[in-house]
Amino acid sequence: NAGVTQTPKFQVLKTGQSMTLQCAQDMNHNSMYWYRQDPGMGLRLIYYSASEGTTDKGEVPNGYNVSRLNKREFSLRLESAAPSQTSVYFCASSENRFFTDTQYFGPGTRLTVL
Amino acid sequence: DAKTTQPPSMDCAEGRAANLPCNHSTISGNEYVYWYRQIHSQGPQYIIHGLKNNETNEMASLIITEDRKSSTLILPHATLRDTAVYYCIVRGYANAGKSTFGDGTTLTVKP
Repeated sequence: NAGVTQTPKFQVLKTGQSMTLQCAQDMNHNSMYWYRQDPGMGLRLIYYSASEGTTDKGEVPNGYNVSRLNKREFSLRLESAAPSQTSVYFCASSENRFFTDTQYFGPGTRLTVL
Repeated sequence: DAKTTQPPSMDCAEGRAANLPCNHSTISGNEYVYWYRQIHSQGPQYIIHGLKNNETNEMASLIITEDRKSSTLILPHATLRDTAVYYCIVRGYANAGKSTFGDGTTLTVKP
């Protein structure tokens, strides 16, 4: 059981370049999430997918798009990277059933936009 | 959406109990209180959660007040490896995508 995996671990982009961050989970969880964490700050939700086939905006969706490819995979795309998107990106998943919803996080992708 | 308030930082002596408070005065009846921690820049790690009864597991204890407006996470015998940022969030099935992490409490365990 690998849990939640993210690729790549590190990435440097130039302003205006695009890239896709990949996330996969092997826990058969219904829900998946993308967060960003700026230095010294807490996590802010970018997008989430409550179940396969659905996606919704979180607190800070501007500049990002997501795809819930299947139940296992949830990708985050930056179409035109900006320096303000320099951050650590965490993917998470949760079972999201009954009345509890424990999240499990991946190791993060450290993105620098120059 | 229920929000939480935590002190920005706390210190604790190694071997002593660490008591981390959290206020969540707007919590609704079907929302649980969750605690996570983040060591260095790793992904956050789940610690414990509860609805209204006190809970204990191998990592910590969670004490929730009777009115559910606040809670305390207790690490009974803190070690240096417990130095981390601790996040208190409220979350339920209906608002899975709407809970926020806030800035948490930075706990420093000192020798």
